[in-house]
Amino acid sequence: GENVEQHPSTLSVQEGDSAVIKCTYSDSASNYFPWYKQELGKRPQLIIDIRSNVGEKKDQRIAVTLNKTAKHFSLHITETQPEDSAVYFCAASDNTDKLIFGTGTRLQVFP
Amino acid sequence: DTAVSQTPKYLVTQMGNDKSIKCEQNLGHDTMYWYKQDSKKFLKIMFSYNNKELIINETVPNRFSPKSPDKAHLNLHINSLELGDSAVYFCASSKRGKGNEQFFGPGTRLTVL
Repeated sequence: GENVEQHPSTLSVQEGDSAVIKCTYSDSASNYFPWYKQELGKRPQLIIDIRSNVGEKKDQRIAVTLNKTAKHFSLHITETQPEDSAVYFCAASDNTDKLIFGTGTRLQVFP
Repeated sequence: DTAVSQTPKYLVTQMGNDKSIKCEQNLGHDTMYWYKQDSKKFLKIMFSYNNKELIINETVPNRFSPKSPDKAHLNLHINSLELGDSAVYFCASSKRGKGNEQFFGPGTRLTVL
């Protein structure tokens, strides 16, 4: 079955700096890669996703890149703000409804 | 309007008890899920239902029994609660089909004493 690894587990940055979170997956059949943000005590919410027919996708300050050959995908946040502080989860899905989540990255943005 | 709702928000109970968590979605989605998030924040899928039919059942003890009375509701009943069942349980829903956004409920924090 699919296995998703996520690094780093914690990430501290200064406000205005960039943050990068990386994930790898094992199942070459996976074709959908969402990223979820979970603020403290809240529910996970989708922030961006990418499908296997696309290499990069941007939405304002966040971007996701996908390298299918290497089975890597990454989340990039530019010009970080304190409200970006949260736990971020990557996930991968094959041709089913099942999402396999990474282990999460706790991002702290210091003012 | 709340898209995916769960009750109760908090549940504190003794070992050995039986408890239920309810979930409802008003998004018109066909697929609903239960996830468990443990103290280390790992999010693991437990079950998935598609239009009241069970389609994913990860290796979850059979003390956990999901029930879907209709496609807008997916409840989780847990028998003989154990200390290790303490976690936050999230319900989610999505449109039918592959690669659709999953919308999560607010979570139910279960504490077994």
